[in-house]
Amino acid sequence: GQQVMQIPQYQHVQEGEDFTTYCNSSTTLSNIQWYKQRPGGHPVFLIQLVKSGEVKKQKRLTFQFGEAKKNSSLHITATQTTDVGTYFCAFRRGGADGLTFGKGTHLIIQP
Amino acid sequence: DARVTQTPRDKVTEMGQEVTMRCQPILGHNTVFWYRQTMMQGLELLAYFRNRAPLDDSGMPKDRFSAEMPDATLATLKIQPSEPRDSAVYFCASGLVTGSTDTQYFGPGTRLTVL
Repeated sequence: GQQVMQIPQYQHVQEGEDFTTYCNSSTTLSNIQWYKQRPGGHPVFLIQLVKSGEVKKQKRLTFQFGEAKKNSSLHITATQTTDVGTYFCAFRRGGADGLTFGKGTHLIIQP
Repeated sequence: DARVTQTPRDKVTEMGQEVTMRCQPILGHNTVFWYRQTMMQGLELLAYFRNRAPLDDSGMPKDRFSAEMPDATLATLKIQPSEPRDSAVYFCASGLVTGSTDTQYFGPGTRLTVL
């Protein structure tokens, strides 16, 4: 079935450095959502992208949806210790409401 | 601040026992989802309901898992009999799914350990 690949699986950064995670699909996606899960916590919705080439910002977070709607990225500027966690991309298959999740990128920040 | 609640938060049981997990969705949400999270498989959709009617349970092992929504304030996920491979965190999520919005709000999860 339709899947997405997320890279990298793990990312170690120094506090203050930037971080980017990528989500790639071999097929066109109708939408993409991003979630954050803190260690021991539950996924928390961050944003949804629907339009080709869409770019949305939330403070230090920038989300992009590719022109072909086959890839997406999440970029965090100047990471802080509160950014620690796993970032998942997810999408809805056409006609369905349940989400298919990528495997996530674990962000580890060294102070 | 409305939240999805799940009980129990932790459950340890022995192989062969019945396990029931409960979820209270956010009031007013029309769709309830069950997901399972493991290290190996990540987050997987098990089943979901719209206005209490089951719409998709293709992700669920049919022989031992069952999901129900007896009323708008309660969704249940039952495993009978449980097996060690069922050990995982089970998340319930709810959302008001319309043509333009489908944000899902996750509960804190039930961590299940089957010995």
